[in-house]
Amino acid sequence: GPKVLQIPSHQIIDMGQMVTLNCDPVSNHLYFYWYKQILGQQMEFLVNFYNGKVMEKSKLFKDQFSVERPDGSYFTLKIQPTALEDSAVYFCASSFLGDEQYFGPGTRLTVL
Amino acid sequence: QQQVRQSPQSLTVWEGETAILNCSYEDSTFDYFPWYHQFPGESPALLIAIRPVSNKKEDGRFTIFFNKREKKFSLHIADSQPGDSATYFCAASRRADRLTFGKGTQLIIQP
Repeated sequence: GPKVLQIPSHQIIDMGQMVTLNCDPVSNHLYFYWYKQILGQQMEFLVNFYNGKVMEKSKLFKDQFSVERPDGSYFTLKIQPTALEDSAVYFCASSFLGDEQYFGPGTRLTVL
Repeated sequence: QQQVRQSPQSLTVWEGETAILNCSYEDSTFDYFPWYHQFPGESPALLIAIRPVSNKKEDGRFTIFFNKREKKFSLHIADSQPGDSATYFCAASRRADRLTFGKGTQLIIQP
């Protein structure tokens, strides 16, 4: 199926530092999403993004979180500052028409 | 409030049997119901999906049965194989909206 790429695959940082997670969505897709998965649990929605704007964000999308996709490049999730509870796997997903969402391989974030 | 409920939490079936995974939802405005499977350390992969205009969708050994009145849908995996062992998540959404996932079913296929 369509491939979504995520960089890096793993990131270890100290609490309070800034981190940027990068997503390279499928080239013709228009809708972009971030989800958070804690080990052994289901994925939980963070935010979705369309036409350069955030469409919806969940309660998990704290004020320290931000997303952008400057000039059609990577779709990024920035966390500044990070907290211990931000440790999780973050999955990016993209969709062409807003129905079938294809997920990237995830970035495992560890906050020490 | 959990909008998508999934059962069982874990399921073990013998190779060749049919595995049945169940989900129910609460929000009647949901109009898209996918199933994903996820192998350890990997991303969830879209397996099959259905819209409420149909009550059944087949793709090879995988079939979704959908009951709009009862707000339930299930995934049947026929002739199950050891390679089908994974965690399966059902989900629901409205177009372009977030996917709301169930808590997952850990499926083990015994050879």
